[in-house]
Amino acid sequence: DADVTQTPRNRITKTGKRIMLECSQTKGHDRMYWYRQDPGLGLRLIYYSFDVKDINKGEISDGYSVSRQAQAKFSLSLESAIPNQTALYFCATSELGGEAFFGQGTRLTVV
Amino acid sequence: GQNIDQPTEMTATEGAIVQINCTYQTSGFNGLFWYQQHAGEAPTFLSYNVLDGLEEKGRFSSFLSRSKGYSYLLLKELQMKDSASYLCAVRKRWQAGTALIFGKGTTLSVSS
Repeated sequence: DADVTQTPRNRITKTGKRIMLECSQTKGHDRMYWYRQDPGLGLRLIYYSFDVKDINKGEISDGYSVSRQAQAKFSLSLESAIPNQTALYFCATSELGGEAFFGQGTRLTVV
Repeated sequence: GQNIDQPTEMTATEGAIVQINCTYQTSGFNGLFWYQQHAGEAPTFLSYNVLDGLEEKGRFSSFLSRSKGYSYLLLKELQMKDSASYLCAVRKRWQAGTALIFGKGTTLSVSS
């Protein structure tokens, strides 16, 4: 089983719909992150969390929200999806001072 | 702000050596990471430098010069399976702690 699991793996949604992407981890790490990846733009940090209920904005947080209700789970929400949020989304975890471990990604298409 | 630059694409032949450069300008520098990402897959960790100098791990080595804001990843004895994107990432101190900020990646194509 993967240490960092993202659901769903693929999703197509309509403009204006609310959507939630889920991430769970079995690594026991306190730190969790959400990134989006677009061709030619690389990975960009959306939000990160260092503990339960701790939420911090990253490089591109507008249009997104997150929730960290448990150490092992970190969810990303798009309150009203728009087409330019079409991207590959990655969740990652790390411990203090360590490297980040990534989930397999969620491919989101907003039509 | 932060700026992390690396070449967009590189090509090389099987068995050769390739060096992928990364330059960065950022406040709160706290280490530099290299990741490998095959198309459609998750990035996987390759190497980490926090002090100046060379770190060697098998066929892969990474170098860091903090005063120059410069790193490189060296891949030796290239294999076809090394065709992938290589991501340079700076661990940056933010207000609440540290997080990785990535460059746009270098796509390496290895041919026979």
